[in-house]
Order: sequence, then C-alpha cells, then structure tokens
Amino acid sequence: SQTIHQWPATLVQPVGSPLSLECTVEGTSNPNLYWYRQAAGRGLQLLFYSVGIGQISSEVPQNLSASRPQDRQFILSSKKLLLSDSGFYLCAWSVQAGSYNEQFFGPGTRLTVL
Amino acid sequence: KQEVTQIPAALSVPEGENLVLNCSFTDSAIYNLQWFRQDPGKGLTSLLLIQSSQREQTSGRLNASLDKSSGRSTLYIAASQPGDSATYLCAVVAGFNKFYFGSGTKLNVKP
Repeated sequence: SQTIHQWPATLVQPVGSPLSLECTVEGTSNPNLYWYRQAAGRGLQLLFYSVGIGQISSEVPQNLSASRPQDRQFILSSKKLLLSDSGFYLCAWSVQAGSYNEQFFGPGTRLTVL
Repeated sequence: KQEVTQIPAALSVPEGENLVLNCSFTDSAIYNLQWFRQDPGKGLTSLLLIQSSQREQTSGRLNASLDKSSGRSTLYIAASQPGDSATYLCAVVAGFNKFYFGSGTKLNVKP
C-alpha cells in the first residue's frame, strides 16, 4: 500500500531563517506531487506541483521554492522566512490513470515563523 | 478559472440526524470530484471520488452525488455520529492534474 511521509511535524523558525520541508512517498512510482499551504481557518492554497523529477510548476509567486530530486521525494524550501510563511503545509500525491486521478495527503507540517 | 464554493461554512446537528453538505464549481469541464475529511491539525483523508462520467458514489453511511451540468455535488451523511465531527472539503480536478479546493464545511455532531 502507498504511504506518504512529511517531516518535521512541527517547526518554529525565526524570521529570516532558511526552511526545508521534506515529503516522501512509498509504494508507488512516478506520482504527481503537490505542496499546499493552509492558513488558519482557510482553504488550501496550491503552491507547487510536479509531474516528474526536476519538473516543478509554481502556482503562486512567493518566498518559497520546490525541488524534486528523486521520483518520490518533494522538498519545499525558503532562503529567508517571512512572518506570512506561517501555516500548515501539506504534501500530496496522485497517480492519474485515464480520467481517474485521486489525491492522497500527508500528515502535514505546522510551521510557525516568529 | 475554476472556483469551488462550499455551503454552509459551518453546521451543527444533533447525533443521529441525516445531513447534506454542498459543493459547487464554476467550470463543468472537470475530470473528477473528490470529497475529503480533515480533523483538526491533521492532513486530509480521502472519502469518496466521483469520476466525471459517474453520478454518485457510496461508502458506508456516505453518499456523494455529482451533477456536472449544474456544477454541483452533495455529500450525504446518514445517521450522523459525534465521530463525524470534522471539516469536510471538496475538490474538483481539472486539466493537467490540478485540484481546486473549496474552503470546507466544519461539521459538529452533538451527542
């Protein structure tokens, strides 16, 4: 069965510090991978998605970047965090088969920037 | 651009009641519609997925319907239980693997 991991689970970082969040998927090959941010009491904002190694699409101009160094690894980074980067970061994966495309989420990382 | 709306934003019902959550979307050119549940501080759990060629899907006490032409989906929960308390989100899938989410309905089932 497929499993998705995210770490760390929680993170408190000072403004201006770097960030690296990691997501890995097990039990599937060539998944589509996604990074979302969920602000308190709000919906999900798609940040990045990737359909393959090294292929990253950015949805919203921001202080963040993403990389996919391996098929089942997706990394979210920042060189200098802003207060507005605080939120709940969710990684997800999907595999498309024809018109069927179901998405599965990781447990999330709670980021607080102080 | 696809926009997804969920009504109501919050709902409180007594245990045992049947209830309906609504999801509407602006562009009917979708591949799938997926319903999720999110518990506080947790990730999203997939509940049901309806492909664009389907009208409904059922899992246990949950039934989801899809009317593409009118841009609507409903999630029906039968005989609600306190353990059903969570936020329910719908998402539509449109071209190039992009998922568009509603802002969710926060459900509270009172014992």
